[in-house]
Amino acid sequence: SQQGEEDPQALSIQEGENATMNCSYKTSINNLQWYRQNSGRGLVHLILIRSNEREKHSGRLRVTLDTSKKSSSLLITASRAADTASYFCATVDNDMRFGAGTRLTVKP
Amino acid sequence: AAGVIQSPRHLIKEKRETATLKCYPIPRHDTVYWYQQGPGQDPQFLISFYEKMQSDKGSIPDRFSAQQFSDYHSELNMSSLELGDSALYFCASSLGRGNTGELFFGEGSRLTVL
Repeated sequence: SQQGEEDPQALSIQEGENATMNCSYKTSINNLQWYRQNSGRGLVHLILIRSNEREKHSGRLRVTLDTSKKSSSLLITASRAADTASYFCATVDNDMRFGAGTRLTVKP
Repeated sequence: AAGVIQSPRHLIKEKRETATLKCYPIPRHDTVYWYQQGPGQDPQFLISFYEKMQSDKGSIPDRFSAQQFSDYHSELNMSSLELGDSALYFCASSLGRGNTGELFFGEGSRLTVL
């Protein structure tokens, strides 16, 4: 199994701005998933993108996947204070491991 | 809809004691994962089970053991507790392994070792 590695580790923006987080991984994948975690709470699944997909949207979320570069990005548009959380990507071999997340702070 | 249930939600133990955490997956989910998250740290994968068999093993100490029972619930047993075991322990479940779909997480069990 492999871990996704997040970039940046921390991001602070103003409400209304867009937030972009990147994830890199090491080997071939079936899919890549993004999760969100509010402080002290369980992780919540945001979106799954399969290896044959290049882009996927869900509400204010946009995820891209570049398998040639082994990287993915999560874009949150028109951010809100409630988006403040840690965001993790997870790549799957046989099981799910999470890399270091991005801690996003959205200031009102 | 039913979610992943973890118990207890909070647990306080002394060093060298034993603790057991329980996880009840979403009905019909056959895969369970355990994660440990220390203060300010990222979730670390401990162990997973698929159809009651150990599927994968991560950074789980030898002092810890886990199993998945016939009703698919899982228990994480921790012995000879150390101060460094203080953490939030998450259980997650999925239908099939993670390479087919998303994981659903419980709210965690917070273990404090004094």
